[in-house]
Amino acid sequence: QKEVEQNSGPLSVPEGAIASLNCTYSDRGSQSFFWYRQYSGKSPELIMSIYSNGDKEDGRFTAQLNKASQYVSLLIRDSQPSDSATYLCAGDSYNQGGKLIFGQGTELSVKP
Amino acid sequence: GAGVSQSPSNKVTEKGKDVELRCDPISGHTALYWYRQSLGQGLEFLIYFQGNSAPDKSGLPSDRFSAERTGGSVSTLTIQRTQQEDSAVYLCASSLLGVDTQYFGPGTRLTVL
Repeated sequence: QKEVEQNSGPLSVPEGAIASLNCTYSDRGSQSFFWYRQYSGKSPELIMSIYSNGDKEDGRFTAQLNKASQYVSLLIRDSQPSDSATYLCAGDSYNQGGKLIFGQGTELSVKP
Repeated sequence: GAGVSQSPSNKVTEKGKDVELRCDPISGHTALYWYRQSLGQGLEFLIYFQGNSAPDKSGLPSDRFSAERTGGSVSTLTIQRTQQEDSAVYLCASSLLGVDTQYFGPGTRLTVL
């Protein structure tokens, strides 16, 4: 089992809809989680970090963490074509020597 | 402030040659990661430096790959006897601590002919 798993997609949503991106992790000791966005040909950039159970909102983005079920999600409200990118989930893993582990990414396409 | 920088931005080399890729992390960041990303693929972890600890080399794909970090700052990734399958974008990231937010450099695109 991979430490951090994401559906590779592509996930396609119409403009204005809510995009829901999901991520599961295997290390129950993981404490810190991050969502990155990567446009084609560019480097990943941080969207949000989350450390506590529950929801964390920042503008159109909401990160959700459920440690009991070991999943993290990212909701994008009022999706825009400019949100089309690959979204990477990352979590810390003490099973892996305390470093950040990235999922393979989910490709999101927002259709006008 | 300055972000993570990498050089060169592009490198074209011939099969069998050695290459060196450089990463300048954000000042004060103790952790530095190298990743490789092939076209359309996810991030492949290569190596992780954390402070003065021995580096985590568990992701290096072969003994042709090595990396060092001098003075806890600049890092160099060296690929010896390059092969065509080494062609990829090599990304460097730094963070204040090992499990903090990582900030990525712009990457080096390596093409092995």
